[in-house]
Amino acid sequence: AQKITQTQPGMFVQEKEAVTLDCTYDTSDQSYGLFWYKQPSSGEMIFLIYQGSYDEQNATEGRYSLNFQKARKSANLVISASQLGDSAMYFCAMREGPYNQGGKLIFGQGTELSVKP
Amino acid sequence: EAQVTQNPRYLITVTGKKLTVTCSQNMNHEYMSWYRQDPGLGLRQIYYSMNVEVTDKGDVPEGYKVSRKEKRNFPLILESPSPNQTSLYFCASSPLGTGSHEQFFGPGTRLTVL
Repeated sequence: AQKITQTQPGMFVQEKEAVTLDCTYDTSDQSYGLFWYKQPSSGEMIFLIYQGSYDEQNATEGRYSLNFQKARKSANLVISASQLGDSAMYFCAMREGPYNQGGKLIFGQGTELSVKP
Repeated sequence: EAQVTQNPRYLITVTGKKLTVTCSQNMNHEYMSWYRQDPGLGLRQIYYSMNVEVTDKGDVPEGYKVSRKEKRNFPLILESPSPNQTSLYFCASSPLGTGSHEQFFGPGTRLTVL
């Protein structure tokens, strides 16, 4: 069964508008972590944001915020005020188990975001 | 500069010819991992290591070997490569037991097996 699901293969957003990238996950663990990574066309993987399962507040990093809804098992990425440089592939990922014990990291299929001028 | 390096960056080889992709990090991270990226499938974990001499299978370990003899190095070995191992490979590292959750990725190795 798919553990991380990103249902939007591709999305378009107008420059300066906000956009939400969807991610749902499936786990029976109580302790887990959720990540978002950005992969521009140059290919490198860039860490954006992290949310721990016990974190009560939604994570924010600059223009990125993670809308964490634990009961719905969703961890959507919100990018505010989109910029042309935000055009990239975005991956949601989950690590099961406590953060200090490493473990498997499972990625979704990715969402390709295109920002229009 | 803190980084994860991979070599080679590009490799074209033939079926059955053993190859090794090296990965090295200079951040003293305990956790290291290999992924392969294929279109439409995202990144899939091949193997990971929690520390020296401690390795474990990810989701797609078949056809790959790893070793962790030193903390900084985590080579990926393909004993007998096949065309279905043509992919983009990433090595990554992260610390354990700290407040940092970021995995640092290498630049990637694009492998073609003919």
